[in-house]
Amino acid sequence: GAGVSQSPRYKVAKRGQDVALRCDPISGHVSLFWYQQALGQGPEFLTYFQNEAQLDKSGLPSDRFFAERPEGSVSTLKIQRTQQEDSAVYLCASSLAWGGESYNEQFFGPGTRLTVL
Amino acid sequence: ELKVEQNPLFLSMQEGKNYTIYCNYSTTSDRLYWYRQDPGKSLESLFVLLSNGAVKQEGRLMASLDTKARLSTLHITAAVHDLSATYFCAVDYAGGTSYGKLTFGQGTILTVHP
Repeated sequence: GAGVSQSPRYKVAKRGQDVALRCDPISGHVSLFWYQQALGQGPEFLTYFQNEAQLDKSGLPSDRFFAERPEGSVSTLKIQRTQQEDSAVYLCASSLAWGGESYNEQFFGPGTRLTVL
Repeated sequence: ELKVEQNPLFLSMQEGKNYTIYCNYSTTSDRLYWYRQDPGKSLESLFVLLSNGAVKQEGRLMASLDTKARLSTLHITAAVHDLSATYFCAVDYAGGTSYGKLTFGQGTILTVHP
């Protein structure tokens, strides 16, 4: 079956432009995560969805970052008025579900490499 | 705040040699993950360690977890060039409201040369 897909794979934006990054999780996966990976660093958590509900957005670096998952499947991460410091790889991951002590593996997409000039 | 630290950050190995990557984390967690990332690629899951004393092995890689010491190790045996990649450990909070949010280490860039 298909894994997590993301589009576009590469995006170049001029400073001040708005961008939208798409994530298609594995079908049936309840949980969806966005991470930001700066060059030479480990991924950092941005936000989490359980179905369509955004339950944690504590990692979003500013109010220019906005994420949605309106039908509990595809998710979009939007960055308004991009800045050079937004340049990074944006990774999406999905997992079946989570509850208490249970564990479900997160499957990562290929990422979108955003370069802001 | 949960912090995860790896060392070394850079590791240059000769083929055939053994080495260990260390992963320390700052707060209680019972779940630790190891991932591999090749240049320009996404994260590939290697191991999930779910309890104190857990040990898992796959090929030339072996991972272990000591939750009391808040330490995990990734041991490489008889390295080969194909193991060259960046290795990340990650931890999530194992508690009543855990949902899988991962905190990653900085990564260890492993280069295996002849």
